[in-house]
Amino acid sequence: AQKVTQAQTEISVVEKEDVTLDCVYETRDTTYYLFWYKQPPSGELVFLIRRNSFDEQNEISGRYSWNFQKSTSSFNFTITASQVVDSAVYFCALSEDLYNFNKFYFGSGTKLNVKP
Amino acid sequence: EAQVTQNPRYLITVTGKKLTVTCSQNMNHEYMSWYRQDPGLGLRQIYYSMNVEVTDKGDVPEGYKVSRKEKRNFPLILESPSPNQTSLYFCASSNGQSPGAYGYTFGSGTRLTVV
Repeated sequence: AQKVTQAQTEISVVEKEDVTLDCVYETRDTTYYLFWYKQPPSGELVFLIRRNSFDEQNEISGRYSWNFQKSTSSFNFTITASQVVDSAVYFCALSEDLYNFNKFYFGSGTKLNVKP
Repeated sequence: EAQVTQNPRYLITVTGKKLTVTCSQNMNHEYMSWYRQDPGLGLRQIYYSMNVEVTDKGDVPEGYKVSRKEKRNFPLILESPSPNQTSLYFCASSNGQSPGAYGYTFGSGTRLTVV
């Protein structure tokens, strides 16, 4: 079974629409970390956020927000008023205490296309 | 500027010709790692190093070698490249010995084509 599932392979929206990228994870640990990375068309991987399992507060950073729900094992990412520059592949990742946080499990990514 | 520098960015080579992809970080990070990214397979770890002279296999180590003689450098060596090693490669580093707690800083990637 996949440790991190990003069921949406590709999403297309029109600029200024809100969009939510889903991430569902699987772990038996009580201590773990979740991450989101962005990969723009230029190819580099850019860190967006890290969240530990004990902090279920939602996070907002400008147009970006993250909704962490342990009850549903989800860590969803919402972009409000999307812009063309948000077009990228977004990866969710999990790291578990079981492996001393030495192992990252990446989801397969969601490609977001924001059209003008 | 804190960064992970990979070279080259693009490389086309022929089967069997040894090559090295260099990786250097200027953040004094202890942990470094190599990943490959392939369509539909996501990011897979090749090798990692928790400190100088300490390296270990990731999920897909076959056909690759690494070394960690200095803290800042972690080159990836393909002794005899084959077409199935055509991929996008990323070097990454992390503070401490547990990247999962701190997250990674990634290099810009190396797109390798083996013909």
